[in-house]
Amino acid sequence: LAKTTQPISMDSYEGQEVNITCSHNNIATNDYITWYQQFPSQGPRFIIQGYKTKVTNEVASLFIPADRKSSTLSLPRVSLSDTAVYYCLVGDIFNDMRFGAGTRLTVKP
Amino acid sequence: NAGVTQTPKFRILKIGQSMTLQCTQDMNHNYMYWYRQDPGMGLKLIYYSVGAGITDKGEVPNGYNVSRSTTEDFPLRLELAAPSQTSVYFCASSYSRGLGGEQYFGPGTRLTVT
Repeated sequence: LAKTTQPISMDSYEGQEVNITCSHNNIATNDYITWYQQFPSQGPRFIIQGYKTKVTNEVASLFIPADRKSSTLSLPRVSLSDTAVYYCLVGDIFNDMRFGAGTRLTVKP
Repeated sequence: NAGVTQTPKFRILKIGQSMTLQCTQDMNHNYMYWYRQDPGMGLKLIYYSVGAGITDKGEVPNGYNVSRSTTEDFPLRLELAAPSQTSVYFCASSYSRGLGGEQYFGPGTRLTVT
């Protein structure tokens, strides 16, 4: 079971870069890391996925060190609309992937 | 594409009643999932399916049943509803399970059992 640990909550201000770190010390060799975003009263939405090093798409970057025991989701220049819960997941349902409580990000004006 | 659709959006059940939550996806995804989310908590997997005719239990399957007769549909059946089943239910689908197998979620069904 690749358990993940991430901060319960974070605050930021508009225009700042936000980094959310997730620990997954017992990640398996073939596990990949996936981040989802969830707004109130909506289903989660895929943000980014990676295996190692750095992955970037139009909304975020994912940094994964060589030992893969942690990963950091980076949101550049956040806005009020980025206020949401962010979930870090490791692996898939076939190796007991779990949604934890996530990180509640609050962006202030 | 409509993506993943769920009906109904809201439902109130009395204890002991039964109901079916509907889920349909139009992306031709093989993998489908049912989750429940209690207030302030993460999602918990109830059941999943890797293709038509194949289903398996997730983390919290008790009190629920599923079927997968077509690729598109994955209904969740609640028999003998209990207050502990008050929750928001999300259906999701994905093309694969590996890298690139991101899940697409529906809007959810908010169920209250009283």
